[in-house]
Amino acid sequence: AQTVTQSQPEMSVQEAETVTLSCTYDTSESDYYLFWYKQPPSRQMILVIRQEAYKQQNATENRFSVNFQKAAKSFSLKISDSQLGDAAMYFCAYRSPGPVRGSQGNLIFGKGTKLSVKP
Amino acid sequence: ETGVTQTPRHLVMGMTNKKSLKCEQHLGHNAMYWYKQSAKKPLELMFVYSLEERVENNSVPSRFSPECPNSSHLFLHLHTLQPEDSALYLCASSQDITSGEQYFGPGTRLTVT
Repeated sequence: AQTVTQSQPEMSVQEAETVTLSCTYDTSESDYYLFWYKQPPSRQMILVIRQEAYKQQNATENRFSVNFQKAAKSFSLKISDSQLGDAAMYFCAYRSPGPVRGSQGNLIFGKGTKLSVKP
Repeated sequence: ETGVTQTPRHLVMGMTNKKSLKCEQHLGHNAMYWYKQSAKKPLELMFVYSLEERVENNSVPSRFSPECPNSSHLFLHLHTLQPEDSALYLCASSQDITSGEQYFGPGTRLTVT
């Protein structure tokens, strides 16, 4: 079964600085999707960025970018020019392709990393 | 906001009570999900519905009973819960069950006393 590990329960960054959140996963599949979700305090979880495993190019969304290392099964999130509104729980998630059936196709989440941004 | 709403946002119930959680999505999606989020644990998928048909039940105790009357609404009926069921219950939707991108509601914070 696939697993997702976020080894940093908490991280802190100074406003305007850059921070990298770590995520590793375990799978025997060659095709899959990876996601970073953000959950601000008392607010809805939103998708930050996604990466298809077959794409070698790292995904970017404005100040958010990933470092996808398929061989190492690593999927880190870099936040540049951190802002106070970036403070949240960040969840890394894995999904195998295809429809949800049994253990396949489900989003598998890590335990999350709580990011604090200092003004 | 994500287009997925949940009510109530907070719920306190005794172990003998019966209550229901409601989720509504305004995105025209065909798949809906219930998750349980407990502190310091990964999100746990509970149920998956596709076009109002349940396609996944992740070994959830029968004291949780889902209902999907149409593709826009999802309910979670609760009865004789245990204190360990206290958690944040999240609803999500996606275009269909092959889509990896899910849109989450704000959750219902449930406390069982």
